[in-house]
Amino acid sequence: DTAVSQTPKYLVTQMGNDKSIKCEQNLGHDTMYWYKQDSKKFLKIMFSYNNKELIINETVPNRFSPKSPDKAHLNLHINSLELGDSAVYFCASSSGPKLFFGSGTQLSVL
Amino acid sequence: AQSVTQPDIHITVSEGASLELRCNYSYGATPYLFWYVQSPGQGLQLLLKYFSGDTLVQGIKGFEAEFKRSQSSFNLRKPSVHWSDAAEYFCAVLRDTGGGNKLTFGTGTQLKVEL
Repeated sequence: DTAVSQTPKYLVTQMGNDKSIKCEQNLGHDTMYWYKQDSKKFLKIMFSYNNKELIINETVPNRFSPKSPDKAHLNLHINSLELGDSAVYFCASSSGPKLFFGSGTQLSVL
Repeated sequence: AQSVTQPDIHITVSEGASLELRCNYSYGATPYLFWYVQSPGQGLQLLLKYFSGDTLVQGIKGFEAEFKRSQSSFNLRKPSVHWSDAAEYFCAVLRDTGGGNKLTFGTGTQLKVEL
């Protein structure tokens, strides 16, 4: 019974394509996040949603568009993929100061 | 702005030996501090957290960490390392932005365990 689940786990695609990563949490949390982990393992927040409303938007290219259809889901759509987008993307959720992370989506842009 | 420094990129210890991973933070107020572990190909698992109170906190898998305000440190320790502890360890500090929690991570320390 996975608390925060992401799909797909692996995503390999060509430059210029558009792709989406989906995230669902069954913890009843109000807040969800997307984090990016680069090739040097550095983790950085991208977005945060609270009750379907965007509350944190770090300096992320506008090719990245998060969408939250309801508070249990936060999807990440990426347009015109670039080589530099290759990374592991983690979804997380929280109802207080403690974050729960998904297992990540490894995106490889060729 | 808050930041987290993990000065050791790699650490190698022998199985059964003690372990200490260093973490220093920079934050104006009382920080919420965390240690996460990431096994190869896996997500992030919370080991322990400090919010307030007792400065020595116990976590899962036999880990503990001590908050030292005077040194701005939150070092992770384990008295006897097991081979399965080999992983990447991240220290993090949390800031409440007023609408959401922003977790800032250190650059991580990769732990290798020699058998």
